[in-house]
Amino acid sequence: DAGITQSPRYKITETGRQVTLMCHQTWSHSYMFWYRQDLGHGLRLIYYSAAADITDKGEVPDGYVVSRSKTENFPLTLESATRSQTSVYFCASSESAEYYGYTFGSGTRLTVV
Amino acid sequence: KQEVTQIPAALSVPEGENLVLNCSFTDSAIYNLQWFRQDPGKGLTSLLLIQSSQREQTSGRLNASLDKSSGRSTLYIAASQPGDSATYLCAVRRGTDSWGKLQFGAGTQVVVTP
Repeated sequence: DAGITQSPRYKITETGRQVTLMCHQTWSHSYMFWYRQDLGHGLRLIYYSAAADITDKGEVPDGYVVSRSKTENFPLTLESATRSQTSVYFCASSESAEYYGYTFGSGTRLTVV
Repeated sequence: KQEVTQIPAALSVPEGENLVLNCSFTDSAIYNLQWFRQDPGKGLTSLLLIQSSQREQTSGRLNASLDKSSGRSTLYIAASQPGDSATYLCAVRRGTDSWGKLQFGAGTQVVVTP
């Protein structure tokens, strides 16, 4: 199916564990983004990518790592999960920097215990 | 730095009334502005995308206007229905940013009562 998919939808992990959230899009969009959404903070940008092997930090990158070896995949890794990283994570993609909008995935709800 | 503000933060209207949601932004150098809808526990659904050169966009009962010079956009929802209850977010795509990153407002939570 065409679109942008995130997995898993729900994840519970323990403090200190490494966890990877997956994002896959079928359109070959160049730009991909990771956001977290928290009550009182809205949507905050974690990392973004303009193409395979081109990534950069957003507002809140500490504790996260990304990679983009293929255009269609943009995984987000929490190297050592902390309770403050409990959040809903959204992946998004866009065809260009200018004329197109963003399309969001359905999100991953992560709980760190 | 671009700041995006949505007022009011919450809104409750009876079914059938028209909804008016406001979005303001501080830097007029934008590529486009996008309105999203978010239902509780769900992802963001794009409603309308307005390019910086456009004044408005329409889709069904939805109409969004853009006044770039004054830094404002308004989303109108005609003849509201209980199914319109959701949080509405506006986001601007920053024109001074070669990556075109989105800057979001905090959203307006809408409740339409039967």
